[in-house]
Amino acid sequence: AQKVTQAQTEISVVEKEDVTLDCVYETRDTTYYLFWYKQPPSGELVFLIRRNSFDEQNEISGRYSWNFQKSTSSFNFTITASQVVDSAVYFCALTSNYGGSQGNLIFGKGTKLSVKP
Amino acid sequence: DSGVTQTPKHLITATGQRVTLRCSPRSGDLSVYWYQQSLDQGLQFLIQYYNGEERAKGNILERFSAQQFPDLHSELNLSSLELGDSALYFCASRTGTTADTQYFGPGTRLTVL
Repeated sequence: AQKVTQAQTEISVVEKEDVTLDCVYETRDTTYYLFWYKQPPSGELVFLIRRNSFDEQNEISGRYSWNFQKSTSSFNFTITASQVVDSAVYFCALTSNYGGSQGNLIFGKGTKLSVKP
Repeated sequence: DSGVTQTPKHLITATGQRVTLRCSPRSGDLSVYWYQQSLDQGLQFLIQYYNGEERAKGNILERFSAQQFPDLHSELNLSSLELGDSALYFCASRTGTTADTQYFGPGTRLTVL
């Protein structure tokens, strides 16, 4: 079965602190895709990043960085110098063609990040 | 703005009623996915359409149905509504393959009273 675990339910930090959101996944497929989405208080789901299973390069985009490690089945997300606008629920998601799936996303439960001024 | 539109944004109705949620995918996207977000179940996949045909079903109740029209917009029909159907319903679209990113609409918040 496929599964995504975000063990951190809520995290609270003070502005300018660095914070890492953890994501652990399970899949039997050798080809799969991992995603992070952000859900701000307004409710929409905003795409942040996609990573395929063959690309273990870490990625940095401004204050955001992602660490993908197949050996530990983890795809962690770090925000450097957090800001109040980063306050949101962050979801990690997985998709593949395993079991005849047509690419639907399997989401973790989400981590609610609160950044206080 | 993801390019995916959903209407209405909010919907309040009573138990036993039927509602229709509408989604227009991004221009050029052939696949439409419906997801339900509730407090107890989190984000769950309901159903997928590709170019007018149903392709996959997730945890979708028999009281729920969907379709995708020739212009590629999709509708999710929810009938015999129960209090537990209150949730945020998202539509997402992607271009073609599993590798493509799904972009989400703003969601429809359904409240069943």
